[in-house]
Amino acid sequence: KNEVEQSPQNLTAQEGEFITINCSYSVGISALHWLQQHPGGGIVSLFMLSSGKKKHGRLIATINIQEKHSSLHITASHPRDSAVYICAVRGNQFYFGTGTSLTVIP
Amino acid sequence: DAGVIQSPRHEVTEMGQEVTLRCKPISGHDYLFWYRQTMMRGLELLIYFNNNVPIDDSGMPEDRFSAKMPNASFSTLKIQPSEPRDSAVYFCASSRGEHQPQHFGDGTRLSIL
Repeated sequence: KNEVEQSPQNLTAQEGEFITINCSYSVGISALHWLQQHPGGGIVSLFMLSSGKKKHGRLIATINIQEKHSSLHITASHPRDSAVYICAVRGNQFYFGTGTSLTVIP
Repeated sequence: DAGVIQSPRHEVTEMGQEVTLRCKPISGHDYLFWYRQTMMRGLELLIYFNNNVPIDDSGMPEDRFSAKMPNASFSTLKIQPSEPRDSAVYFCASSRGEHQPQHFGDGTRLSIL
C-alpha cells in the first residue's frame, strides 16, 4: 500500500483550462510538499504546506489535515505548465507520490 | 544565489567501480537532502543532514552507499562497489529549515554498465 496516492496519473488539458491534481496520504504528517519536475528533469519545489492554503501566481495549493488530502490547482493553464507534479509528505519519514503527468495543449 | 550545484551532471562507469557524487548547497541553508529517482521506484529520499550531521539515513539502500558532509558547503554521496541497479538520477537539495521549501540541484544521471 502506498502511503501517498495521487490522482490522476495522467492529465491532458487544453490551454486555459482549470486543473486540479489530488493527493491523499495515510500517515500523520508535519508537512506536505508539491514538487514540479519539467521534461528536462529539473525539480522545483512549488509549495510546502502544513495547513490551509497557499497561492503563488496561477498556482494554489490546499491541504485538509483532518481528511489527509491536498489539492494543487492551476488556473488558466498554459503549455509551459506541462510537467510531472509530485506530492511528498513528511511523516516519521518522507513519502512520495508517483506523480501526475500533466500535458497542456495549445 | 548560485543554486544547488551538483557534479558531475552525467557519469557512466563500469560495475564494481567507486562512484562519488558531489553537492554544494545554497549558502545559509542548514539542511541538505540526497534523493534518488528511477522509473521503477520514483523519487526516494536517501539521507538528509542538518548542520552537517546525518539525521536520517534510513533510505540508504545498503552498505555500499555512504554520504558525508564535512562542512556546510559540501557533501558527497559515494557508492562502492557500484552495481547496474544503482543507475538512476541522483538529486541533492537544500533548505533553510526542515519544513522550508527545498531547492534542488540539476541532478547527476548515473549509468552503471
